[in-house]
Amino acid sequence: AQKITQTQPGMFVQEKEAVTLDCTYDTSDQSYGLFWYKQPSSGEMIFLIYQGSYDEQNATEGRYSLNFQKARKSANLVISASQLGDSAMYFCAMRAGGFKTIFGAGTRLFVKA
Amino acid sequence: DAGVIQSPRHEVTEMGQEVTLRCKPISGHDYLFWYRQTMMRGLELLIYFNNNVPIDDSGMPEDRFSAKMPNASFSTLKIQPSEPRDSAVYFCASRGGGHGTDTQYFGPGTRLTVL
Repeated sequence: AQKITQTQPGMFVQEKEAVTLDCTYDTSDQSYGLFWYKQPSSGEMIFLIYQGSYDEQNATEGRYSLNFQKARKSANLVISASQLGDSAMYFCAMRAGGFKTIFGAGTRLFVKA
Repeated sequence: DAGVIQSPRHEVTEMGQEVTLRCKPISGHDYLFWYRQTMMRGLELLIYFNNNVPIDDSGMPEDRFSAKMPNASFSTLKIQPSEPRDSAVYFCASRGGGHGTDTQYFGPGTRLTVL
């Protein structure tokens, strides 16, 4: 069965520091995709970063990087130099079994000034 | 380019009424997804289409829910009759086809309240 697990319901980080949001996944598929989305209090879902299962290098998008450890089935999001505007819910998601996509429960990130 | 467009943004209705949510995907995208978000169940995939054809509707909760995609630029999600437990935010997302374009882009969502 496909599964996404985010074990951190809430995280605090000091402004300008880096933070890692954890995500583990489970699938028997060889081909899959992993995503991170940000949901601010306004409610929209904002795409941050994507990692394909066959991509050998970790994905990076500006201040976001995805620490992909395939053997451990983990896809952690690293946000460098946190900003107050990074305060939001963050969802890890996996596409597997065709294009069916499942989402984790989310981690709420609080950035402190 | 315009993103995914959803309407209405907010809908308040009474139990038993029919509700229709609308979505316009990003032009050129050939996959369309409907999701529901609640506090209790998180984000759930309800159904997705490829080239206007429903591919997987296993997430549709029950027969009261139906979805259509009559053409590449329009989809509807209908609930008839609506119940209070259907109250949620409903998102539509679209994805372009081809290798390396796995990302789904979400619309702003429709917040549905069933009284």
